[in-house]
Formats: sequence, structure tokens, C-alpha cells
Amino acid sequence: QLQLQESGPGLVKPSETLSLTCTVSGGSITSSSCYWGWIRQPPGKGLEWIANIYYSGSAYYNPSLKSRVTISVDTSNNHFSLRLSSVTAADTAVYYCARQFYERGQLPYYFDYWGQGTLVTVSS
Amino acid sequence: DIVLTQSPDSLAVSLGERATINCKSSQSVLYTSNNKNYLGWYQQKPGQPPRLLIYWASARESGVPDRFSASGSGTDFTLAISSLQAEDVAVYYCQQYYSTPWTFGQGTKVEIK
Repeated sequence: QLQLQESGPGLVKPSETLSLTCTVSGGSITSSSCYWGWIRQPPGKGLEWIANIYYSGSAYYNPSLKSRVTISVDTSNNHFSLRLSSVTAADTAVYYCARQFYERGQLPYYFDYWGQGTLVTVSS
Repeated sequence: DIVLTQSPDSLAVSLGERATINCKSSQSVLYTSNNKNYLGWYQQKPGQPPRLLIYWASARESGVPDRFSASGSGTDFTLAISSLQAEDVAVYYCQQYYSTPWTFGQGTKVEIK
């Protein structure tokens, strides 16, 4: 059974960089049939896709966040990571990592496996 | 960006009754070359991550009870729960994967009346 687990600091100061890692177990991050993504949810609000990445390093970014986001993949350790720079209180959210089903030559599709999420609070 | 607008924002339904949620897309998510609608539905219970219920607008994910069904094409989609159970209390989201950025509806909260 595929499992994803987010890890990282739960508190980040304004203007600093948020860094999260998603560890994949029960499956290989080098699978050709999926991308790996990050989605966030501010408290009491809806879902916002942030970025996703293929094991080869090919990535997509939400234009609304692109200037501040870096996504990377570590195939040796079966994990992928998110960095979000210059954070403000508006970046306070539960951050989820998820698997996104993919077929070669197409855009990735739906998110079929999710981590439990990790709350990141931006505060001094 | 494709904007998905769900209606209603919330609804209260009696146990055993039918619940219906709508999702309207700002542009068609039907890919004519394969006649597939690039839309999914998710269920999110309090304190849990979203769970994929439906993909390709009407295909039920493995393990999803058959009281959940979905339909629609182009810009208008519906998720129905035929006989609401207590464990169905959740927020439901639609999501399009027709184009980037991938976007979600604002969510519909389903409660017991």
C-alpha cells in the first residue's frame, strides 16, 4: 500500500523559507505512471495546487506561486521536497503531498494518494 | 485558469435521503479527441486529507461505495449520494485536470439534517 508522509518544521518566521519533504513508502518514486505533487489548504479554506514533479525532474508550478516555489525529487531516498521562500501569514496552511496519476504524453491527472498533511504556521 | 464553482456551498440532508452537489467549470473540460471529461471528485472528512472518489467525471475509484455516483460533461457536473449515511458527512471538492494550473472547486459541506 502506497503511503506518503510529510515532514518539516511546523513554524516558520515571516520572510523565511518553508521547507517540507514527502517520503514515499510502499512504492517507487521512479514510477513512470505518476507525478508527485504538493497541495495546500489554509485553515477552514479550500485546496490550492502548488507544484508537482516527475522522477526525471520535469516539473509544473502554479503561476501564482512560481516565483517563490522550488520542487525537487530525490530518487535515491524515495522522497520529494518543497521550498517556499519569503513566506507570509498567508502561507499558513496544511500542506499535503500527493501522487498524481500520469500517462506519458499527457498532463498529469487526478490525485489518488495523499499524505496526512502537515500544518505550517507562519508567525514570528 | 479554469475556475470551478460548486453549488450549493453547504447542504443538510436527512439520513437515507439523496444529496446532490453541482460543479460548473468556466470552460469545457471535455477532451474531444478521447471523449473524456477531465474532472474528479474528492471527499474530505474533518482532520483528514482529501480522498479521491471519482475520476473521468463518472468513474468510481476502487473501494468507493456505489451510493456515490457522478455525471456530467463539458462544463456541468454532478456528484450524487443516493442514500446519505452518517459517515458521508464531509466537504466535497471537484477538481479539473484538463489544464494547468490544476484547480479545485471551493467545496460543498454536507451535513445531516
